[in-house]
Amino acid sequence: ETGVTQTPRHLVMGMTNKKSLKCEQHLGHNAMYWYKQSAKKPLELMFVYSLEERVENNSVPSRFSPECPNSSHLFLHLHTLQPEDSALYLCASSQDLTVDTEAFFGQGTRLTVV
Amino acid sequence: DAKTTQPPSMDCAEGRAANLPCNHSTISGNEYVYWYRQIHSQGPQYIIHGLKNNETNEMASLIITEDRKSSTLILPHATLRDTAVYYCIVRVPGNTGKLIFGQGTTLQVKP
Repeated sequence: ETGVTQTPRHLVMGMTNKKSLKCEQHLGHNAMYWYKQSAKKPLELMFVYSLEERVENNSVPSRFSPECPNSSHLFLHLHTLQPEDSALYLCASSQDLTVDTEAFFGQGTRLTVV
Repeated sequence: DAKTTQPPSMDCAEGRAANLPCNHSTISGNEYVYWYRQIHSQGPQYIIHGLKNNETNEMASLIITEDRKSSTLILPHATLRDTAVYYCIVRVPGNTGKLIFGQGTTLQVKP
């Protein structure tokens, strides 16, 4: 248990659906991240938030929409996804953005788009 | 970001030390070396990190060469539960704190 909780753990959605992934941390961290891990590929950074402000958007399609309402919660809103968006979506948090602080990951949401 | 090079796979006998190498020949003086591991279909787990000095914690030891161009992660007594993909990452200051993951080394611990 890392202190970063993601829900749901598994999600199957159709291409016309709208769904949201949730991430919650009670570690008192100020930075939160979304990563995507497709099959047999390295983790890819999607978004970075610091103190609820988005500081990085890594050329992610607009069908992925992040939201950070407070420093403990991070959402990833999904709409009109494609089958190639099927992947493991991972949330992480760290104390801040400095290089000497480790990031802790949640267990991920396994997303399947049908 | 500094590029890291790791062997794609390694085997280790249970109970023996696992030594995982990483090359980062273009590392700069203020860049940290981080190690994470990922057990199948789970989120990555932080192991250890360091800048110049060797580091040790309850999970592992990190040995960084004097020129900082390579490092070795040591699991002193590998167990079957240590079977995972191990990632060596060079983290750049002022880069929004992001971790850039490569392909890592798949460590298989065998009975």
